[in-house]
Amino acid sequence: DAGVIQSPRHEVTEMGQEVTLRCKPISGHDYLFWYRQTMMRGLELLIYFNNNVPIDDSGMPEDRFSAKMPNASFSTLKIQPSEPRDSAVYFCASSLRGASNYGYTFGSGTRLTVV
Amino acid sequence: GNSVTQMEGPVTLSEEAFLTINCTYTATGYPSLFWYVQYPGEGLQLLLKATKADDKGSNKGFEATYRKETTSFHLEKGSVQVSDSAVYFCALTGANSKLTFGKGITLSVRP
Repeated sequence: DAGVIQSPRHEVTEMGQEVTLRCKPISGHDYLFWYRQTMMRGLELLIYFNNNVPIDDSGMPEDRFSAKMPNASFSTLKIQPSEPRDSAVYFCASSLRGASNYGYTFGSGTRLTVV
Repeated sequence: GNSVTQMEGPVTLSEEAFLTINCTYTATGYPSLFWYVQYPGEGLQLLLKATKADDKGSNKGFEATYRKETTSFHLEKGSVQVSDSAVYFCALTGANSKLTFGKGITLSVRP
């Protein structure tokens, strides 16, 4: 398996623009998680899905952020409009039957810079 | 709620030194415990895990024992290498399938 695939690896955009981050989880995994990592805040869970259904989005910072999972093999995280404080590394992770026995498999992340 | 506390970093060691990174947790029930490692420019990778009390997780020379009585899961390695330089995260999960991470600690190993 190719692992969790995220695209793009790097994104530089201007303030106010829409940004879409993409994630392909491992085939057969039923949980998908979106995290944000910054020096100041560390790793923050933004939202997670089970069987394509959003379960907990309490970590989404504000209405500018939205996430979708239209099918089992694809998810997007959208920021509209983007702001400089959104600059961070965004990770997608997937797991089978939750994390209790197997943990998560992380993608390589998308480094977002908003100027 | 669940929480994980890691010792403050960063940690700098010489090659072949002994490593201990402390991790304690607060959780209801019987969580599973994990150590993840993040190499520069990469995502987090599962290093080892333990799913019940007194279990020892091990991988690549690293070990950690699930201690319920002290609510701890300290990471150890007998002889570190330069290639072990990375950020290490302790984490736990309970019944809700979410991983709760500690803040992470940066390890630098000098030749």
